[in-house]
Amino acid sequence: DAMVIQNPRYQVTQFGKPVTLSCSQTLNHNVMYWYQQKSSQAPKLLFHYYDKDFNNEADTPDNFQSRRPNTSFCFLDIRSPGLGDAAMYLCATSRGLAGDTQYFGPGTRLTVL
Amino acid sequence: RKEVEQDPGPFNVPEGATVAFNCTYSNSASQSFFWYRQDCRKEPKLLMSVYSSGNEDGRFTAQLNRASQYISLLIRDSKLSDSATYLCVVGLQDYAGGTSYGKLTFGQGTILTVHP
Repeated sequence: DAMVIQNPRYQVTQFGKPVTLSCSQTLNHNVMYWYQQKSSQAPKLLFHYYDKDFNNEADTPDNFQSRRPNTSFCFLDIRSPGLGDAAMYLCATSRGLAGDTQYFGPGTRLTVL
Repeated sequence: RKEVEQDPGPFNVPEGATVAFNCTYSNSASQSFFWYRQDCRKEPKLLMSVYSSGNEDGRFTAQLNRASQYISLLIRDSKLSDSATYLCVVGLQDYAGGTSYGKLTFGQGTILTVHP
């Protein structure tokens, strides 16, 4: 059974039109992460939640926001997508320690027209 | 300088070959080390953790040299199904907003293609 689920798997949006990506987990992990991965590049951490505490990476643009209404769900909101935001968005969860495995969802591939 | 550097390849090898990937990391405070595998257009999945004493999982052997900040992965008897991108990943316990959390930094990956 899938442990980290992302919806939709593919999202097409127009330049400047807000979009929301969702992630849910059945692992009851404390930490949920959002990564952005562009073609042939490493996944780049955007932000994470430890329980309800939200933490942005220093270089994450303000255009990206997140919400975590409960332990199981986390959302990525892109307020005004630009062409440069086209990427795979990966959600991951872990218990929170450096040595813990991060479990990734299948990703949402975002296309911006 | 990138925090985690890998040779992007691609490595093209025949079935049965032995292939080795190398990786270096810049943050000496890194505490945990992994190899993840990522298939085309799929999510990364943990292949194995890497320990200072070296560790083996079937055909896969991982080594860590903390002094040199160097990680390696050896794949013996390559199979067609080993074709993928191999991501070198380092972790550390970071602190933000009053909480600590495990933070992973990924290399850009090494592409492996195993052909018949």
